Amino acid sequence: NSKVIQTPRYLVKGQGQKAKMRCIPEKGHPVVFWYQQNKNNEFKFLINFQNQEVLQQIDMTEKRFSAECPSNSPCSLEIQSSEAGDSALYLCASSPWDWGAWEQYFGPGTRLTVL
Amino acid sequence: GDSVTQTEGPVTVSESESLIINCTYSATSIAYPNLFWYVRYPGEGLQLLLKVITAGQKGSSRGFEATYNKETTSFHLQKASVQESDSAVYYCALGSDTGYQNFYFGKGTSLTVIP
Repeated sequence: NSKVIQTPRYLVKGQGQKAKMRCIPEKGHPVVFWYQQNKNNEFKFLINFQNQEVLQQIDMTEKRFSAECPSNSPCSLEIQSSEAGDSALYLCASSPWDWGAWEQYFGPGTRLTVL
Repeated sequence: GDSVTQTEGPVTVSESESLIINCTYSATSIAYPNLFWYVRYPGEGLQLLLKVITAGQKGSSRGFEATYNKETTSFHLQKASVQESDSAVYYCALGSDTGYQNFYFGKGTSLTVIP
């Protein structure tokens, strides 16, 4: 079973409010991913890190979303000004990033509801 | 582009019957696709069920198996005899062999096994 920890499990915010969620990847996994899963079960990749460095991110992430993975602290994803369309399950995953082991291990997710 | 299409649910099967969930992929920007099946049991997080990183190979776990077919770009999930405990949502995922690229997920197939 995955040992990726995500907090909080549930988050309720009003429109325009900040929403921040955290992720502790599995020990020894250098690559971390954030995905958004909407109510239609569609996954959208947001951003990924190798150690503390951003590898890839989509435009949406650049504008209202901010994320970081500081050394010796949980990774975080923050929405600066929440919108109704941001209501979704936010999944953090980590990968051992080793030859033949490119799989991702997922946390339980943070379910964000924007009222 | 890169994408995954899988059997639309919900799927209902009687216990001890056989199961197949279809998955096809398109990997236009991924030279060496890696293929995965994930499962989400009720109330739990997304778990890796099985993976295959080499075309022509078969992966298996918990009685499920899937063969990576490069010619038909398919990775169908099969089980000879399902159990009630297999009731869950199953996701097919496409990744690359670089480890830092995001996964592409299907929309999930909800399976209910009737005792």
